[in-house]
Amino acid sequence: KAGVTQTPRYLIKTRGQQVTLSCSPISGHRSVSWYQQTPGQGLQFLFEYFSETQRNKGNFPGRFSGRQFSNSRSEMNVSTLELGDSALYLCASSQGTSGLDEQYFGPGTRLTVT
Amino acid sequence: AQSVTQLGSHVSVSEGALVLLRCNYSSSVPPYLFWYVQYPNQGLQLLLKYTSAATLVKGINGFEAEFKKSETSFHLTKPSAHMSDAAEYFCAVSEWGSQGNLIFGKGTKLSVKP
Repeated sequence: KAGVTQTPRYLIKTRGQQVTLSCSPISGHRSVSWYQQTPGQGLQFLFEYFSETQRNKGNFPGRFSGRQFSNSRSEMNVSTLELGDSALYLCASSQGTSGLDEQYFGPGTRLTVT
Repeated sequence: AQSVTQLGSHVSVSEGALVLLRCNYSSSVPPYLFWYVQYPNQGLQLLLKYTSAATLVKGINGFEAEFKKSETSFHLTKPSAHMSDAAEYFCAVSEWGSQGNLIFGKGTKLSVKP
């Protein structure tokens, strides 16, 4: 079974631009979660989608948004990029039916904002 | 809100020595508990999870963790460290009924000396 894939793996953007990151979950998984990882703040939950609906949301500004398609693939978008948005963005997929469901993580997208 | 505290951002042990990584959670109601490992430039991999079926949980790669409700702790141990265990370890909690939303500790970087 193929794992979680994220594209692109690396991205360099300029302040003020916007960016879209993509995540393809494991086949059969209906939940996709997104996390931001930085040296200072660690791993922080952005949002979770289940069956094309945002089910949970972390404490991030509205510049961070996401969506999920009918095939469970998900995208997240960051508008008006700031230097502080430089981070590793991880997505994870799971069955999504219980808090005990294992989340399988992708390798991440390393975003650098200059 | 739930929080997770990992004592010690860096732990160094000799090969063959005991590994002990500490994790405390904040809730009075035991949440779901997990330990993840992250190798450089990779996503996170689940080591083990607490399911309330047993207080001593065995995971992959020889790791285990003991749930102690009275101490609100879920410390990770391995009897004998191997060089390949060098990585960053994250303790995480998921609240009852909150699928897809993991709250992570700040992580502990484990170094293994030959």
